[in-house]
Amino acid sequence: GQNIDQPTEMTATEGAIVQINCTYQTSGFNGLFWYQQHAGEAPTFLSYNVLDGLEEKGRFSSFLSRSKGYSYLLLKELQMKDSASYLCAVKGDGGATNKLIFGTGTLLAVQP
Amino acid sequence: DAGVIQSPRHEVTEMGQEVTLRCKPISGHDYLFWYRQTMMRGLELLIYFNNNVPIDDSGMPEDRFSAKMPNASFSTLKIQPSEPRDSAVYFCASSLLGQFYEQYFGPGTRLTVT
Repeated sequence: GQNIDQPTEMTATEGAIVQINCTYQTSGFNGLFWYQQHAGEAPTFLSYNVLDGLEEKGRFSSFLSRSKGYSYLLLKELQMKDSASYLCAVKGDGGATNKLIFGTGTLLAVQP
Repeated sequence: DAGVIQSPRHEVTEMGQEVTLRCKPISGHDYLFWYRQTMMRGLELLIYFNNNVPIDDSGMPEDRFSAKMPNASFSTLKIQPSEPRDSAVYFCASSLLGQFYEQYFGPGTRLTVT
């Protein structure tokens, strides 16, 4: 079966660091994506991991451990505009397909 | 590029009516995806196309849903007849061919069936 788990909600303080975890069990693995979705808007791409390790992109970093079926998104120097839902998605099928399986998302609230 | 374009942005209809959602993918993209998003179930893939050909429609809820892609620049998702449980936000996304390419989402159509 296909299963992706994320915490439903998190709260953090402006200027702080927050880590959003994602665990997955899929029939295959061809990469893991993180998307950001503000309320009432479309998801937008944040990061992509296919090999183990940390990918850094400005204030955002994403980590992957394939052996553990685990990823996290790290947000540094939090800003109010980072309040959004963060979706973990796995490309689980083999081959060249671009099919993604999404988790239900983590709603992050950044407080002053 | 204008990005993925969807219409209408909002649709309110009565149960039993036919609903047609439209999508124009980013020019040059090989893949087109239709998703449905609800609070309870999150973002669910309904169907996706590669070069206008449906590849996987296993996420289509039932026979009331159908999708077409007559050419590389246009796709429709049709619900006939619509039911209140179909109320959701429907997103269209497109992508280039290949493992590393992310999907670009349209603004979505918020459907309310009364």
